[in-house]
Amino acid sequence: EVQLVESGGGLVQPGGSLRLSCAVSGFTFSDHYMDWVRQAPGKGLEWVGRTRNKANSYTTEYAASVKGRFTISRDDAKNSLFLQMNSLKTEDTAVYYCTRSPRDNYYFDYWGQGTLVTVSS
Amino acid sequence: DIQMTQSPSSLSASVGDRVTITCRASQGISNSLAWFQQKPGKAPKSLIYDASSLQSGVPSKFSGSGSGTDFTLTISSLQPEDFATYYCQQYKIYPLTFGGGTKVEIK
Repeated sequence: EVQLVESGGGLVQPGGSLRLSCAVSGFTFSDHYMDWVRQAPGKGLEWVGRTRNKANSYTTEYAASVKGRFTISRDDAKNSLFLQMNSLKTEDTAVYYCTRSPRDNYYFDYWGQGTLVTVSS
Repeated sequence: DIQMTQSPSSLSASVGDRVTITCRASQGISNSLAWFQQKPGKAPKSLIYDASSLQSGVPSKFSGSGSGTDFTLTISSLQPEDFATYYCQQYKIYPLTFGGGTKVEIK
Protein backbone atom coordinates (compact mmCIF):
# COMPACT_ATOMS: atom_id res chain seq x y z
CA GLU A 1 0.00 0.00 0.00
CA VAL A 2 1.35 3.40 -1.00
CA GLN A 3 1.69 5.75 1.97
CA LEU A 4 2.96 9.31 2.25
CA VAL A 5 3.25 10.79 5.75
CA GLU A 6 4.27 14.40 6.27
CA SER A 7 5.73 15.81 9.46
CA GLY A 8 7.57 18.87 10.72
CA GLY A 9 4.85 21.51 10.53
CA GLY A 10 4.29 24.03 13.29
CA LEU A 11 4.35 27.68 14.28
CA VAL A 12 7.30 29.79 13.13
CA GLN A 13 7.97 33.52 13.16
CA PRO A 14 8.28 35.53 9.95
CA GLY A 15 11.85 35.28 8.65
CA GLY A 16 12.31 31.91 10.30
CA SER A 17 13.01 28.46 8.88
CA LEU A 18 11.32 25.09 8.98
CA ARG A 19 12.04 21.70 7.46
CA LEU A 20 9.21 19.42 6.43
CA SER A 21 9.62 15.69 5.88
CA CYS A 22 7.56 13.16 3.96
CA ALA A 23 8.13 9.49 4.77
CA VAL A 24 7.01 7.16 2.03
CA SER A 25 6.38 3.43 1.83
CA GLY A 26 4.80 0.87 -0.45
CA PHE A 27 6.70 1.73 -3.64
CA THR A 28 10.22 2.15 -5.07
CA PHE A 29 10.81 5.77 -4.08
CA SER A 30 13.79 6.39 -6.37
CA ASP A 31 11.67 5.69 -9.47
CA HIS A 32 9.22 8.52 -8.90
CA TYR A 33 8.95 12.28 -9.26
CA MET A 34 7.79 13.85 -6.00
CA ASP A 35 6.17 17.23 -5.40
CA TRP A 36 5.04 19.57 -2.65
CA VAL A 37 1.65 21.27 -2.95
CA ARG A 38 0.22 23.72 -0.42
CA GLN A 39 -3.17 25.07 0.52
CA ALA A 40 -3.64 28.28 2.49
CA PRO A 41 -6.56 28.26 4.95
CA GLY A 42 -9.84 28.40 3.02
CA LYS A 43 -8.04 28.73 -0.32
CA GLY A 44 -7.24 26.59 -3.33
CA LEU A 45 -4.27 24.40 -4.17
CA GLU A 46 -0.86 25.83 -5.10
CA TRP A 47 2.03 23.82 -6.49
CA VAL A 48 5.29 24.50 -4.62
CA GLY A 49 7.89 22.44 -6.40
CA ARG A 50 9.13 19.11 -7.74
CA THR A 51 12.09 16.79 -7.54
CA ARG A 52 12.60 14.43 -10.43
CA ASN A 53 13.67 10.82 -9.96
CA LYS A 54 17.11 9.22 -9.89
CA ALA A 55 17.02 8.54 -13.65
CA ASN A 56 16.60 12.30 -14.19
CA SER A 57 19.34 13.27 -11.78
CA TYR A 58 17.02 14.51 -9.04
CA THR A 59 16.66 17.89 -10.76
CA THR A 60 14.17 20.32 -9.27
CA GLU A 61 11.56 22.89 -10.31
CA TYR A 62 9.97 25.58 -8.13
CA ALA A 63 7.09 28.00 -8.15
CA ALA A 64 8.17 31.62 -8.49
CA SER A 65 6.65 32.43 -5.08
CA VAL A 66 9.13 30.16 -3.27
CA LYS A 67 12.16 30.05 -5.59
CA GLY A 68 15.33 31.02 -3.74
CA ARG A 69 13.70 30.48 -0.33
CA PHE A 70 12.56 26.83 -0.45
CA THR A 71 14.66 23.78 -1.33
CA ILE A 72 13.36 20.31 -2.12
CA SER A 73 15.61 17.33 -1.49
CA ARG A 74 15.26 13.61 -1.05
CA ASP A 75 17.03 10.67 0.54
CA ASP A 76 16.20 7.58 -1.46
CA ALA A 77 17.98 5.32 1.03
CA LYS A 78 15.61 6.53 3.74
CA ASN A 79 12.52 6.78 1.52
CA SER A 80 12.13 10.41 2.52
CA LEU A 81 11.33 13.70 0.82
CA PHE A 82 12.15 17.06 2.38
CA LEU A 83 11.15 20.69 2.02
CA GLN A 84 13.54 23.22 3.57
CA MET A 85 11.73 26.52 3.99
CA ASN A 86 13.77 29.65 4.76
CA SER A 87 12.87 33.34 5.04
CA LEU A 88 9.29 32.39 5.77
CA LYS A 89 6.52 34.91 5.19
CA THR A 90 3.02 35.10 6.63
CA GLU A 91 1.70 34.20 3.18
CA ASP A 92 3.48 30.83 3.41
CA THR A 93 0.93 29.77 6.05
CA ALA A 94 -0.72 26.67 4.62
CA VAL A 95 -1.20 22.94 4.83
CA TYR A 96 1.69 21.36 2.91
CA TYR A 97 1.09 18.10 1.07
CA CYS A 98 3.66 15.80 -0.47
CA THR A 99 2.54 14.04 -3.62
CA ARG A 100 3.78 11.25 -5.85
CA SER A 101 3.69 11.02 -9.64
CA PRO A 102 3.41 7.59 -11.26
CA ARG A 103 6.47 6.07 -12.91
CA ASP A 104 5.34 6.90 -16.44
CA ASN A 105 3.42 10.14 -16.00
CA TYR A 106 3.57 13.55 -14.34
CA TYR A 107 0.24 14.01 -12.55
CA PHE A 108 -0.23 13.40 -8.81
CA ASP A 109 -1.62 9.94 -8.11
CA TYR A 110 -1.08 9.84 -4.34
CA TRP A 111 -1.18 12.56 -1.68
CA GLY A 112 -0.11 12.62 1.96
CA GLN A 113 -2.44 13.82 4.68
CA GLY A 114 -0.70 17.20 4.97
CA THR A 115 1.11 19.14 7.68
CA LEU A 116 0.15 22.66 8.80
CA VAL A 117 2.72 25.44 8.75
CA THR A 118 1.74 28.69 10.47
CA VAL A 119 3.94 31.74 10.00
CA SER A 120 3.03 34.35 12.56
CA SER A 121 4.58 36.62 15.16
CA ASP B 1 2.16 30.90 -16.51
CA ILE B 2 -0.84 28.90 -17.71
CA GLN B 3 -4.05 30.09 -16.06
CA MET B 4 -6.66 27.42 -15.34
CA THR B 5 -10.21 28.77 -15.10
CA GLN B 6 -12.92 26.56 -13.65
CA SER B 7 -16.62 27.19 -13.91
CA PRO B 8 -18.82 27.40 -12.06
CA SER B 9 -17.02 28.23 -8.81
CA SER B 10 -19.90 26.58 -6.95
CA LEU B 11 -23.08 24.73 -7.76
CA SER B 12 -26.03 23.24 -5.94
CA ALA B 13 -27.34 19.90 -7.12
CA SER B 14 -29.58 17.08 -5.97
CA VAL B 15 -28.79 13.42 -5.45
CA GLY B 16 -29.11 11.69 -8.83
CA ASP B 17 -28.32 14.80 -10.88
CA ARG B 18 -25.81 14.80 -13.70
CA VAL B 19 -23.17 17.42 -12.99
CA THR B 20 -20.64 18.94 -15.40
CA ILE B 21 -17.69 21.14 -14.41
CA THR B 22 -15.58 22.93 -16.99
CA CYS B 23 -11.92 23.91 -16.95
CA ARG B 24 -10.27 26.19 -19.49
CA ALA B 25 -6.52 26.59 -19.94
CA SER B 26 -5.07 29.92 -21.08
CA GLN B 27 -3.00 28.07 -23.68
CA GLY B 28 -2.99 24.60 -25.17
CA ILE B 29 -1.92 21.78 -22.87
CA SER B 30 -2.74 18.80 -25.10
CA ASN B 31 -4.27 16.23 -22.71
CA SER B 32 -2.04 16.96 -19.70
CA LEU B 33 -4.98 17.63 -17.39
CA ALA B 34 -5.95 16.02 -14.10
CA TRP B 35 -9.01 16.30 -11.85
CA PHE B 36 -9.01 15.98 -8.06
CA GLN B 37 -11.72 15.72 -5.42
CA GLN B 38 -11.24 17.26 -1.98
CA LYS B 39 -13.52 16.87 1.03
CA PRO B 40 -13.29 19.23 4.02
CA GLY B 41 -10.24 18.60 6.18
CA LYS B 42 -8.93 15.91 3.85
CA ALA B 43 -6.19 15.65 1.24
CA PRO B 44 -7.18 15.83 -2.41
CA LYS B 45 -7.81 12.55 -4.21
CA SER B 46 -6.95 11.81 -7.82
CA LEU B 47 -9.95 11.14 -10.07
CA ILE B 48 -8.89 11.63 -13.71
CA TYR B 49 -5.55 11.96 -15.48
CA ASP B 50 -4.56 12.59 -19.11
CA ALA B 51 -7.91 14.41 -19.41
CA SER B 52 -10.03 11.27 -19.70
CA SER B 53 -8.31 8.32 -17.97
CA LEU B 54 -9.94 7.10 -14.77
CA GLN B 55 -7.61 6.70 -11.80
CA SER B 56 -7.56 3.13 -10.47
CA GLY B 57 -10.30 2.57 -7.91
CA VAL B 58 -12.39 5.58 -8.91
CA PRO B 59 -16.00 4.74 -9.81
CA SER B 60 -17.04 4.99 -13.45
CA LYS B 61 -19.67 7.64 -12.67
CA PHE B 62 -16.75 10.08 -13.01
CA SER B 63 -15.60 10.88 -16.53
CA GLY B 64 -13.40 13.47 -18.15
CA SER B 65 -13.10 14.82 -21.66
CA GLY B 66 -11.36 17.50 -23.68
CA SER B 67 -8.04 18.37 -25.21
CA GLY B 68 -6.11 21.53 -25.94
CA THR B 69 -7.72 24.28 -23.85
CA ASP B 70 -11.22 23.08 -22.92
CA PHE B 71 -11.97 20.24 -20.54
CA THR B 72 -14.93 18.86 -18.61
CA LEU B 73 -15.48 16.64 -15.58
CA THR B 74 -18.86 14.89 -15.46
CA ILE B 75 -20.45 13.05 -12.56
CA SER B 76 -23.21 10.95 -14.09
CA SER B 77 -25.42 10.51 -11.03
CA LEU B 78 -24.50 12.57 -7.99
CA GLN B 79 -24.41 10.68 -4.70
CA PRO B 80 -24.10 12.03 -1.13
CA GLU B 81 -20.39 11.11 -0.99
CA ASP B 82 -19.70 13.25 -4.08
CA PHE B 83 -20.40 16.56 -2.38
CA ALA B 84 -16.93 18.08 -2.30
CA THR B 85 -14.67 20.59 -4.03
CA TYR B 86 -13.20 19.63 -7.39
CA TYR B 87 -9.97 20.99 -8.89
CA CYS B 88 -8.43 20.72 -12.33
CA GLN B 89 -4.66 20.92 -12.80
CA GLN B 90 -2.35 21.12 -15.80
CA TYR B 91 0.99 19.29 -15.83
CA LYS B 92 2.15 20.19 -19.31
CA ILE B 93 4.26 23.26 -18.52
CA TYR B 94 6.01 24.59 -15.40
CA PRO B 95 4.85 26.06 -13.15
CA LEU B 96 2.17 23.43 -12.66
CA THR B 97 -1.11 25.22 -12.04
CA PHE B 98 -4.53 24.45 -10.57
CA GLY B 99 -7.95 25.81 -11.26
CA GLY B 100 -9.67 27.75 -8.49
CA GLY B 101 -11.99 24.89 -7.58
CA THR B 102 -15.68 24.09 -7.92
CA LYS B 103 -17.63 23.45 -4.73
CA VAL B 104 -20.49 21.01 -5.25
CA GLU B 105 -23.17 21.45 -2.59
CA ILE B 106 -26.44 19.77 -1.76
CA LYS B 107 -29.57 21.48 -3.07
